[in-house]
Amino acid sequence: EAGVTQFPSHSVIEKGQTVTLRCDPISGHDNLYWYRRVMGKEIKFLLHFVKESKQDESGMPNNRFLAERTGGTYSTLKVQPAELEDSGVYFCASSQDRLVQYFGPGTRLTVL
Amino acid sequence: AQTVTQSQPEMSVQEAETVTLSCTYDTSESNYYLFWYKQPPSRQMILVIRQEAYKQQNATENRFSVNFQKAAKSFSLKISDSQLGDTAMYFCAFILYRDDKIIFGKGTRLHILP
Repeated sequence: EAGVTQFPSHSVIEKGQTVTLRCDPISGHDNLYWYRRVMGKEIKFLLHFVKESKQDESGMPNNRFLAERTGGTYSTLKVQPAELEDSGVYFCASSQDRLVQYFGPGTRLTVL
Repeated sequence: AQTVTQSQPEMSVQEAETVTLSCTYDTSESNYYLFWYKQPPSRQMILVIRQEAYKQQNATENRFSVNFQKAAKSFSLKISDSQLGDTAMYFCAFILYRDDKIIFGKGTRLHILP
């Protein structure tokens, strides 16, 4: 069974540009989560989808971040426009029963 | 506030030795699950071990075991007979029963030396 996949693995962009991160959860998992780890800090929750609906988006930093989950399958996280402080590793996770969350390898975002 | 503190940013031990990673957490709630996650270099984060807060018995998974002290809000991880493949970043974390977001610590980078 394929695990959680994320694309791209690494993205380097200029401040002010737009970047879109993609996450493909494990097939059949209704719950999808986004987390972010800024260098030297804790991994922080961003938001949680149940199927295509946003269940909790309390961790989203500001309105420059937009997450979508098309048809309850894959999810995208768009940052527009990107700022320096957005640099970090963005993790996606999926789960069936919420207690056991399976994580993807992460996307390392560098904003110059 | 819900927080996790891992006081050891980095550790190194010789292969076959036993190592203990420290973790303390803070929450005012009584019902939660605790986790240790492992992220090897350039690889996915995986769950190592899970502990239910209402269970007094410490969880074990092969060479991995925890020392859970609920009153002290302490949740340390012991790795016995350490192997080169244990080299990774280890994250202590918890999730409240009523919630869906995992609260993580900053991580401990563990190096197993040959």
